[in-house]
Amino acid sequence: NAGVMQNPRHLVRRRGQEARLRCSPMKGHSHVYWYRQLPEEGLKFMVYLQKENIIDESGMPKERFSAEFPKEGPSILRIQQVVRGDSAAYFCASSTSGARDGGYTFGSGTRLTVV
Amino acid sequence: AQRVTQPEKLLSVFKGAPVELKCNYSYSGSPELFWYVQYSRQRLQLLLRHISRESIKGFTADLNKGETSFHLKKPFAQEEDSAMYYCALKAGAGSYQLTFGKGTKLSVIP
Repeated sequence: NAGVMQNPRHLVRRRGQEARLRCSPMKGHSHVYWYRQLPEEGLKFMVYLQKENIIDESGMPKERFSAEFPKEGPSILRIQQVVRGDSAAYFCASSTSGARDGGYTFGSGTRLTVV
Repeated sequence: AQRVTQPEKLLSVFKGAPVELKCNYSYSGSPELFWYVQYSRQRLQLLLRHISRESIKGFTADLNKGETSFHLKKPFAQEEDSAMYYCALKAGAGSYQLTFGKGTKLSVIP
């Protein structure tokens, strides 16, 4: 079991470009969560998805950010027209249910740098 | 809204010395508290949760509702304990969202 796989590990984008971050959950996990960690900060919840459904996107910025978890394939976090303030580590986690026991399995993260 | 505070950004101790990583929280309901650890170049992983009252790798943590604290302790630090430690809160059994502190970097000096 490869665990939660995120790619790429590092991503560099120029201001105004698009960033696509991918997350493949653990085998058997159908719940995916995205968290963002800004420099010197703790992880902050962004969005919770199940297959083909967004359950809670209360932590997502209102503009430029979107997430999906299609029936087939990985979950995608998409950031359009990136700005320097988007530079952060983006972590994906998965669980079998709604993580009622807090038992997330995290990926290694994608470190986005906007230049 | 809930909040988790880890007052120490960096904590250095000598090998064999006791360790206490502080965590205080703010939440009006009945929270569930967790400690996550991230070793160098590895992914974030769950260390322990207060509802289990377990000891993992010699670490323990007790939820003190009066002081709203969930400090992580170990009597004798080992070099392999050097890592980033994050305290996290979940707003009760029905919640799925974790609120994290900013983390404390533990450095164990040989």
